[in-house]
Order: sequence, then C-alpha cells, then structure tokens
Amino acid sequence: DQQVKQNSPSLSVQEGRISILNCDYTNSMFDYFLWYKKYPAEGPTFLISISSIKDKNEDGRFTVFLNKSAKHLSLHIVPSQPGDSAVYFCAALEGAQKLVFGQGTRLTINP
Amino acid sequence: DTAVSQTPKYLVTQMGNDKSIKCEQNLGHDTMYWYKQDSKKFLKIMFSYNNKELIINETVPNRFSPKSPDKAHLNLHINSLELGDSAVYFCASSQSMIGVGYTFGSGTRLTVV
Repeated sequence: DQQVKQNSPSLSVQEGRISILNCDYTNSMFDYFLWYKKYPAEGPTFLISISSIKDKNEDGRFTVFLNKSAKHLSLHIVPSQPGDSAVYFCAALEGAQKLVFGQGTRLTINP
Repeated sequence: DTAVSQTPKYLVTQMGNDKSIKCEQNLGHDTMYWYKQDSKKFLKIMFSYNNKELIINETVPNRFSPKSPDKAHLNLHINSLELGDSAVYFCASSQSMIGVGYTFGSGTRLTVV
C-alpha cells in the first residue's frame, strides 16, 4: 500500500504561469517532506523541503505548502520556465533516513 | 566530478544470470542507499548502509546482496536474475542528517530477458 501518492501522472503548463503539483500521504507519523526533481537519464535532485511544524516554505520560485489535517502537500512554481520541465517526486521521511516516494508527476512547460 | 557514480548505466542480461551494479560516492557521506524504481515509477528503498554497517533492509529477496567494502562504496549483487527484477536501480548517499543531504546517482537500467 502506497503511503505517498501523486495522483496526477502529468501536468502541462504555459510558460510564465503557475505550476501546482500535488501530493497526498496516509501516514500521520511523517513529519518531514521533500520534493525532488528528475530529468531523463539522471537521478533525482533535491528541490525543497518542509517540516511538519511549518505550513509553508519558500525558496525563490518554489514554494511548498503543507496541510497536515488533510495530509496533503503541494509544490508551487511561479513563474514556470521551460527548464522546469521534468518529473517531480514528492517524498516523506520515515524514521531518520528512509525516504518514501510518490510515483512522480511529469511537468511540461509549454512556450 | 560526479558526486555519486554508478556503473553500468545500462545492463541487459538473461534470466538466471548473476550481475553486479557498482556505486561510489566522493562526497564524504556516511550513509549510502539502494533504491529501486519499478514499472509503476515508485522509488522504493531496498537497503541502507552507514559506515559499512547495514541499517535498513527492506523486504527484498535474498537474491539481492549489498556489499560495502568502505563507506564510499556500496555495490549491489543480484543472483539468479528474474524478469521481475527489470527496473531502474538508483544509488544514493547522505550525511547522517536527512534533508538536503540526499544525493542520487544517475541510475542503472536493468533489463532481464
């Protein structure tokens, strides 16, 4: 049973607009969440994270929102750029070191 | 300089064979991992080692055996390969504190025919 789910396998957004990627989790013990970005033929690279004591974390164009009661987090990218086209993975930290990943959302930014 | 490098990048082999995937990190991290990305695209942890000591061992068939000769290397040996072992295998490393410290290799695509 998957504890972290990204229900949208793909998302297409126009350049300059906002991209919103969603992620749901089931384990209420998760207290740290991360987003990773992956280009083809490369490994995932860390993008942004959030602790459960916060509901928002911002880094430049990227903002992650956490709604603990809904067990939902989202990644906002604004403005979206062509280089943002990639697969985005949501992950939750279980214990000290184990990351539990969602299945990813493929984001395509159209010019 | 590649921080986490794994070889080979592609591996095609027949059922029943034994194969190894190598991983090396030059980041000075204490912990290394193997993750498997299955056909449904989920990345799932298989093993983690901290300073050559096995820490996490998920429910993985014992045909899979990780070996860590030193803290910079974590190799994955697979015996008696099966069709279901076809996947992309990612090596990663981190310092003891999780968060931004997780660095992945570029993956090894294993195809069993």
